[in-house]
Amino acid sequence: GAGVSQSPSNKVTEKGKDVELRCDPISGHTALYWYRQSLGQGLEFLIYFQGNSAPDKSGLPSDRFSAERTGGSVSTLTIQRTQQEDSAVYLCASSFTSGLAGLNTQYFGPGTRLTVL
Amino acid sequence: SQQGEEDPQALSIQEGENATMNCSYKTSINNLQWYRQNSGRGLVHLILIRSNEREKHSGRLRVTLDTSKKSSSLLITASRAADTASYFCATDSSQGAQKLVFGQGTRLTINP
Repeated sequence: GAGVSQSPSNKVTEKGKDVELRCDPISGHTALYWYRQSLGQGLEFLIYFQGNSAPDKSGLPSDRFSAERTGGSVSTLTIQRTQQEDSAVYLCASSFTSGLAGLNTQYFGPGTRLTVL
Repeated sequence: SQQGEEDPQALSIQEGENATMNCSYKTSINNLQWYRQNSGRGLVHLILIRSNEREKHSGRLRVTLDTSKKSSSLLITASRAADTASYFCATDSSQGAQKLVFGQGTRLTINP
């Protein structure tokens, strides 16, 4: 089946505007993750959804960032009042299992490159 | 803060040579994974090694894990130009957190 898809692939916005980034996980995957990667850096965890449980928001850098996952499938990451330091590639991943003994292999989408002018 | 740290940050070798990258981490883990990233976009999962395993092979890849030293290595044998990419190790905590914590990555360049 299809892999993780993300849209848009590129987004250029002006400082202060709101943006929405979309992630379609692999069908049947119960866990969904958002990461951020600044230029030349590693991945920074943002938020994690697992089934109907409350999401782990511990990685969100500020209250301008929020995410939701509707119907246990598609997720939207929203950044309000964007700042230049929000410029990065935003990566979404999904995994099939996330139990205590789970292997947690994550499958990544191609990312959305966000540029805030 | 990042848990994993890769070493070296950059590695440049000739095609056909072996490439070794190292990763260190700080807390107890369930497993450790290696990912590859081309052109700064999506990551591709390469291999997963569980905390009770010491070595694992997949094709030209060999991964070792030393939990006493909290370190892992990724060996790519007989490197090819197509192996040029950034390589990241990622760990998930044995304390129940499901997020992966990534290192800063090693930029590998294979020269033809």
